[in-house]
Amino acid sequence: DTAVSQTPKYLVTQMGNDKSIKCEQNLGHDTMYWYKQDSKKFLKIMFSYNNKELIINETVPNRFSPKSPDKAHLNLHINSLELGDSAVYFCASSQDTRLNEQFFGPGTRLTVL
Amino acid sequence: GDSVTQMEGPVTLSEEAFLTINCTYTATGYPSLFWYVQYPGEGLQLLLKATKADDKGSNKGFEATYRKETTSFHLEKGSVQVSDSAVYFCALSDRGGSNYKLTFGKGTLLTVNP
Repeated sequence: DTAVSQTPKYLVTQMGNDKSIKCEQNLGHDTMYWYKQDSKKFLKIMFSYNNKELIINETVPNRFSPKSPDKAHLNLHINSLELGDSAVYFCASSQDTRLNEQFFGPGTRLTVL
Repeated sequence: GDSVTQMEGPVTLSEEAFLTINCTYTATGYPSLFWYVQYPGEGLQLLLKATKADDKGSNKGFEATYRKETTSFHLEKGSVQVSDSAVYFCALSDRGGSNYKLTFGKGTLLTVNP
């Protein structure tokens, strides 16, 4: 069983479209995260949720809206996609907010044309 | 703010060579330190960690020691294998306000040739 799963794995879309990426973890963790990895492999946190509550929001444009329907799921919706949104997006989870270890999903490669 | 600086890659080694990837950090508090590894086409995996000064994290032949006096957490392995080819990320976890956050270095690409 995959611990942290994301769908889709690849997403190719046109500028201006709206798209969503889904994430699920079956580890029973309380805390989930979204990261963006750019073309130079630099990894930066975007959001963090703990028990469905937003706890970290790192100056991300408000075109990005995370949603956590329950503590096992954290989805990312992106409105009005721009070329600069092209990246690999990683979901991760940890047992709680103390960050002893994060478990990462396989990533979603988003390409905006 | 917190930051992590690790050596620029790419690093190319022959099998059985000795590996060092340097990592230094700045933090406002007393962070925990981590090395994560990303194999091609995959997400990151925790390789090792250390939570206090002088702790040594180790896993799969890799080691790193938390050096508070030099604010460093260098990754070493005595004899690398082709299967170690990956991107390695140094990271710290520190408390900013009421929440902990992971801050990553820019990653170092390691290629090991047979």
